[in-house]
Amino acid sequence: ILNVEQSPQSLHVQEGDSTNFTCSFPSSNFYALHWYRWETAKSPEALFVMTLNGDEKKKGRISATLNTKEGYSYLYIKGSQPEDSATYLCAFDTNAGKSTFGDGTTLTVKP
Amino acid sequence: EAQVTQNPRYLITVTGKKLTVTCSQNMNHEYMSWYRQDPGLGLRQIYYSMNVEVTDKGDVPEGYKVSRKEKRNFPLILESPSPNQTSLYFCASRTTPSTDTQYFGPGTRLTVL
Repeated sequence: ILNVEQSPQSLHVQEGDSTNFTCSFPSSNFYALHWYRWETAKSPEALFVMTLNGDEKKKGRISATLNTKEGYSYLYIKGSQPEDSATYLCAFDTNAGKSTFGDGTTLTVKP
Repeated sequence: EAQVTQNPRYLITVTGKKLTVTCSQNMNHEYMSWYRQDPGLGLRQIYYSMNVEVTDKGDVPEGYKVSRKEKRNFPLILESPSPNQTSLYFCASRTTPSTDTQYFGPGTRLTVL
């Protein structure tokens, strides 16, 4: 079983703070790295799919970077809002279709 | 509306009573996958399918079976459920194995007594 680690496990910030979390994954046999946003009582929702070393993706106030050589990806949220409160999951995919998720980072944004 | 549907959404059953959780997608996706989620853990892949009649084990396949006879359906079968299979289950689909957006179903909360 591949080891995908996310840190921190949880994070509490004030509204307006910027924050970031980390996803670490094996640097060999990399095919794709996914970020998902998961709100309580809902289904995970895709944020980004990243495939190339050095990739940077952005969606509104959320952005992500990818370093496949050292095996990590960062997710950044600029100016956090209460509606950003959720669990953020990353998933490492092989080209054979196998998908390994990290345990997630739970973000709580206080008004 | 493009979607992944799962049934049932909630199920309470007893040890040993065979059950099937259905999953269907209307997006003509080749790839489908089943995950379970337990408290404090991320999603763990049970089985996945790259196309019709092609299935492979994920990280936690023990106690589960799947079939992919049609492109749109990917049922999860528990032949003899046990309490350690109490979990939240998600079905998901996408067009290619890894480079496209994956869409999740609403989840099935299963309790095995």
